[in-house]
Amino acid sequence: DIQMTQSPSSLSASVGDRVTITCRASQSISTYLNWYQQKPGKAPKLLIYAAFSLQSGVPSRFSGSGSGTDFTLTITGLQPEDFATYYCQQSYSPPLTFGGGTKVEIK
Amino acid sequence: EVELVESGGGLVQPGRSLRLSCAASGFTFDDHAMHWVRQVPGKGLEWVSGITWNSGSKDYADSVEGRFSISRDNAKNSLYLQMDGLRPEDMALYYCARGRTGYYPGGAFDMWGLGTMVTVSS
Repeated sequence: DIQMTQSPSSLSASVGDRVTITCRASQSISTYLNWYQQKPGKAPKLLIYAAFSLQSGVPSRFSGSGSGTDFTLTITGLQPEDFATYYCQQSYSPPLTFGGGTKVEIK
Repeated sequence: EVELVESGGGLVQPGRSLRLSCAASGFTFDDHAMHWVRQVPGKGLEWVSGITWNSGSKDYADSVEGRFSISRDNAKNSLYLQMDGLRPEDMALYYCARGRTGYYPGGAFDMWGLGTMVTVSS
């Protein structure tokens, strides 16, 4: 099974900050990497698919990069509504594993 | 309206069975692979199972392999998860999720239901 490791597990940031979350796969997954945002009490929401493609309706301040084993989600200009938990997920090979999550909190 | 609505959760004793359902509406159901994802309250996401658009491929997490069975009825726009031999560690909120494409790997989950809670306790 492919293991997905996210870092950091949590971070504190201020509105307007640039935030970077990393995700590492235990083996190469090409660009089969997706990012989700989850707010408390809500279902996850797809932000980025295939490593860097922005899902329809998602603000352009979200961006993704990477290939192989190392990936990054960047939020450029953090907004109040962006405080949430973010998960990466590999869709290269079943089981389609998720990372442990990164909680973005207000500083 | 485009939506996924899960049902069938509840309280069940260890070792017993439960069948979850997911009703889809507002889109062409058989254009999409479908998945079940679970989440223990306060914890992370765990993919449970997936099925391609035509039921040609079905896959499971190691933790549920041999106990859970995924199926779909495209005529009824419905997804199912038969859960047998339930264990306390299966207790979680179970989400139904839509794949962006009819097949996986490769597809992200672009639409999610609100989830149905499964509690396993004696």
